[in-house]
Order: sequence, then structure tokens, then C-alpha cells
Amino acid sequence: DTAVSQTPKYLVTQMGNDKSIKCEQNLGHDTMYWYKQDSKKFLKIMFSYNNKELIINETVPNRFSPKSPDKAHLNLHINSLELGDSAVYFCASSQGAGGPRNEQFFGPGTRLTVL
Amino acid sequence: QKEVEQNSGPLSVPEGAIASLNCTYSDRVSQSFFWYRQYSGKSPELIMSIYSNGDKEDGRFTAQLNKASQYVSLLIRDSQPSDSATYLCAVTDFTGANSKLTFGKGITLSVRP
Repeated sequence: DTAVSQTPKYLVTQMGNDKSIKCEQNLGHDTMYWYKQDSKKFLKIMFSYNNKELIINETVPNRFSPKSPDKAHLNLHINSLELGDSAVYFCASSQGAGGPRNEQFFGPGTRLTVL
Repeated sequence: QKEVEQNSGPLSVPEGAIASLNCTYSDRVSQSFFWYRQYSGKSPELIMSIYSNGDKEDGRFTAQLNKASQYVSLLIRDSQPSDSATYLCAVTDFTGANSKLTFGKGITLSVRP
């Protein structure tokens, strides 16, 4: 049983294109996150949603737009892709936010390569 | 700006030895501390969480927290080659819904057979 799943696993695209990554969790968690891990392996939060409501929006370009149709799904749409967007994007979920409820479980990641 | 620092690596230990991984954090209000293991090409996997001062043991892993000194460490006893991975320290606080994890840059552990 996959707890946090992401599609696609790999995404190769040209600069300027628009792409989406989908995430689903079957853990019954209330909070979901998007992280970016760059080539130096530094993992940085981009967004978090709690029960479909945007909670955290780090300094991410407007070209990135998350959407949460329900608390089990969190998608990430990226417009006008740039070379610097190449990274691995991880979705994660937790029971809630704050303290022990913030134990986060990660999806397998989506490796995005922008040419 | 919260910062989480992990001592520079990579760290190499022989099989059977104790591996000691350290992490310091800058924000005194930090309350929850996590260690994640990430194998190459894989996603981070939660291996330990600790919320109060002292030691917490789980199998071969022991997490140690000292809030006064603002550090958290992970000890791996009887290290195995399968423990070779990058270990990420993460810190959060109790500030409610907008609480978030801040990760260190990780330290790569190599266990030599």
C-alpha cells in the first residue's frame, strides 16, 4: 500500500513549458506539503496545505501554483519553466502541523529536468 | 531565520562501529526534532523523532536532545553497510498551523565493510 504517491516520477521538458505534478496520500492526514530538493540535496519547503487551506507559502515564484482539491490530494502546477526549476520535488503529508503531529512522510519524488 | 546546521561530512566508519551524527539549531523555541534517512535517489524516510531533553532509543538508533545547548544528535550502534545514506536533521516548533520543518543540509554516512 503506497502511503504518499506522486506522478510522474520523471519529467523532462523544455524551457517555457507548463507542467503539473500530482500527489495523493492515503494516510488520512490533514496536512500536505511540497518540497524542492536541489542538486546539492538541500531540502526546502515550498508550500503546505492544511485541510485544503494554504498555510505556508514560502518565497516561491508565482509561476508555481499549488492546488488541493481535497485533503488527500495536493497538486503543483508550474508555468513557464526555467532551467533553475530543475530539481527533485517531494510531496509529504502529516497528521497536522505543530509538534509530534508534524511527523512527515514523503512521497517518492518527481525528478524534473528542464532543457 | 531559523538555521539547522549539520557537521560537515562525509562521515566514514567501519562496520560495527558507532556513528555519531550531530545537529545544532538556532531557534530557541524549537520543540520537535526529527532525523530522516535518505538513500541515494530515494525520498527521505523518518527514522527518529524526539521532543524532550535526554535520550530516546529505538533499536540501534539513539537520538539525544539538549535544548539548553541547542543540539540534537543521532547515534547508530553496530553500524551496517545498509546504514550508508544521507541523514537529515529537521526541526520544527509548536507555533500551530504554520509550523514547518526546517532541514539541515544533511551528512552523508558511509559504513565500510
